[in-house]
Amino acid sequence: SQTIHQWPATLVQPVGSPLSLECTVEGTSNPNLYWYRQAAGRGLQLLFYSVGIGQISSEVPQNLSASRPQDRQFILSSKKLLLSDSGFYLCAWSNLDSGNTIYFGEGSWLTVV
Amino acid sequence: GQNIDQPTEMTATEGAIVQINCTYQTSGFNGLFWYQQHAGEAPTFLSYNVLDGLEEKGRFSSFLSRSKGYSYLLLKELQMKDSASYLCATPSGAAGNKLTFGGGTRVLVKP
Repeated sequence: SQTIHQWPATLVQPVGSPLSLECTVEGTSNPNLYWYRQAAGRGLQLLFYSVGIGQISSEVPQNLSASRPQDRQFILSSKKLLLSDSGFYLCAWSNLDSGNTIYFGEGSWLTVV
Repeated sequence: GQNIDQPTEMTATEGAIVQINCTYQTSGFNGLFWYQQHAGEAPTFLSYNVLDGLEEKGRFSSFLSRSKGYSYLLLKELQMKDSASYLCATPSGAAGNKLTFGGGTRVLVKP
């Protein structure tokens, strides 16, 4: 069965510091991978979307970047965090076998102080 | 593009029924998803409707009318653990493999 894992689960970072969130998927190949963000009390916003290694689509202009160095690995990064980057970050996957249903990782809580 | 509307909050009593409505406008239709999200946790998949009609899964049912751009999630025999946000979502993008979410409906179940 497929599993998705992201880390770290929580982190508190000062403004201007870098960020790296990592996500891996097991039990499936060639997945579509996603990074979503959910600000406090808000809906889910798609940040990045990837259909394959090295293929990244940015959905909204922002202070973040994403990379996919391996088929089942997706990384969210920032060189300098802003206060507005605080939120709940969710990695997710889908593929043809899932019927394009998207399945989420456990999420990472980021607080920028 | 996508435009998805659902109520912000609903309150219901344990054992009762609650219906969460979702209206959407999409440039192309590839189904309608419902997710459940407990506070502080990731969303979990509940249902996917691609054809008109009602689909039942235990205490939860989901209905779709494509001509009206309307769906609802029906929660029966409410339990305290059903207190959560319920997110309506539609596929987007050229391949329909991205999801655009509504703002979510927070359901509070009271004893």
